[in-house]
Amino acid sequence: AQSVTQLGSHVSVSEGALVLLRCNYSSSVPPYLFWYVQYPNQGLQLLLKYTSAATLVKGINGFEAEFKKSETSFHLTKPSAHMSDAAEYFCAVSRQGAQKLVFGQGTRLTINP
Amino acid sequence: GAVVSQHPSRVICKSGTSVKIECRSLDFQATTMFWYRQFPKQSLMLMATSNEGSKATYEQGVEKDKFLINHASLTLSTLTVTSAHPEDSSFYICSQLGTLPDEQFFGPGTRLTVL
Repeated sequence: AQSVTQLGSHVSVSEGALVLLRCNYSSSVPPYLFWYVQYPNQGLQLLLKYTSAATLVKGINGFEAEFKKSETSFHLTKPSAHMSDAAEYFCAVSRQGAQKLVFGQGTRLTINP
Repeated sequence: GAVVSQHPSRVICKSGTSVKIECRSLDFQATTMFWYRQFPKQSLMLMATSNEGSKATYEQGVEKDKFLINHASLTLSTLTVTSAHPEDSSFYICSQLGTLPDEQFFGPGTRLTVL
C-alpha cells in the first residue's frame, strides 16, 4: 500500500523567506509523486510531478522538489515566498501515473507581510 | 489544462434526503473521472473511478448503493448521495484524466452539509 505524510498541517513564513513543505511517502514500488496547490474555492492545480526522470523537479510559480529515495522524501521548496503563495498544498503518490492518487493531509501555507 | 466545474458549490440538506452533485468537463472529453471525499483537515480520499458508459469502480469501504455514480456522457459525471446522514457531510471533489498518463484535473469541490 502507498501512503503520504505531510509534516506540519500549517506552515507560516515571512514574505521573501524560504518556503519548505515536507512530504514523506511510503511505496512498495517506484512511486510517481506530485505536489498540488489549492486556492480557496478552487480546484487542485498541479505544481510539479516526479515520474522517475530527474530527481530535482521544477514546477510552476518558482517551486521545485527533490526526490530522495534514501529518505523517502519529496519536499517542496521555493527560495522566496510571495503573498500569492498562500494556499493549501497537497503531496500525492501513485503507482500508475495519476490513475489513483493517494494524498497527504495537506499543509496550509500562510505568508506574513 | 482541462477545466472541470462542479455544481453546486455548496449544498445543505435534511437527513434522509438525496443530493446530486454534478461534475462537468468544460473543454475536454473525459472518459475517466474520479470522485474524492475530503473531511476537514484530512486527506482527499478516492471514492470511485467513473468510466463513461460503464459502471463505476468503487474503492474498498465505499458503499456503492449509498454513493451512486453516473457517467452517461463524456462531459458529465454525477454523484448522488442517497439517504444522506450527518456523517456524509464532507467536501466532495471530482477530477478527470488529461491526455497525458500522469495528468489529472480537479474541480473546485462541493461542500455538503447534512442536518
